[in-house]
Amino acid sequence: QQKVQQSPESLTVSEGAMASLNCTFSDGTSNNFRWYRQHSAKGLEVLVSIFSDGEKEEGRFTAHLNRANLHVSLHIREPQPSDSAVYLCAVSIPNNAPRFGAGTKLSVKP
Amino acid sequence: EAAVTQSPRNKVAVTGGKVTLSCNQTNNHNNMYWYRQDTGHGLRLIHYSYGAGSTEKGDIPDGYKASRPSQENFSLILELATPSQTSVYFCASGRQGLFSNERLFFGHGTKLSVL
Repeated sequence: QQKVQQSPESLTVSEGAMASLNCTFSDGTSNNFRWYRQHSAKGLEVLVSIFSDGEKEEGRFTAHLNRANLHVSLHIREPQPSDSAVYLCAVSIPNNAPRFGAGTKLSVKP
Repeated sequence: EAAVTQSPRNKVAVTGGKVTLSCNQTNNHNNMYWYRQDTGHGLRLIHYSYGAGSTEKGDIPDGYKASRPSQENFSLILELATPSQTSVYFCASGRQGLFSNERLFFGHGTKLSVL
């Protein structure tokens, strides 16, 4: 069974500083990785999807994938207070349901 | 934008009672999912479906049943609700890609309290 773990559990950064979130997964056949954001127990919105090693940028959000190290990260450039939310990592093996990590709670201080 | 609608938004149930959570999507997605969200656990997969008439067990299916009578509708059924099933439940839908699943579209969640 796929295990997805996120770190840190919570993170506080100042507005404008880079925020970096980490996600490790257990199944090396995983081929589908997404970062979602959730504001206050509401629905989730997808931020960035990545399918091969390297990086993928969507606006201020950049995902880095290293499948050999079973690691995917999210970097948020110039975070704003409105970026304060829970960030969830989702990982899928081929043609299977996504499994999620427990999330990182990000707080951005003005 | 894909639309996923859950009902009810809030539900209070009694222990031992039957609870049905409903989900409707209007974008003709093949796949639908039920997750629950609890502090410290993130989203955990309960049941999912690849299309009308199909249901698959996720990682925590005990105490839950699922029903997919049509492409649009996917229900989660708690035959004998217990306090441990108090949680926020999210339904999601997504298109089946050629080699992998595409992004999920989530409903706004159902907050269930079992007393």
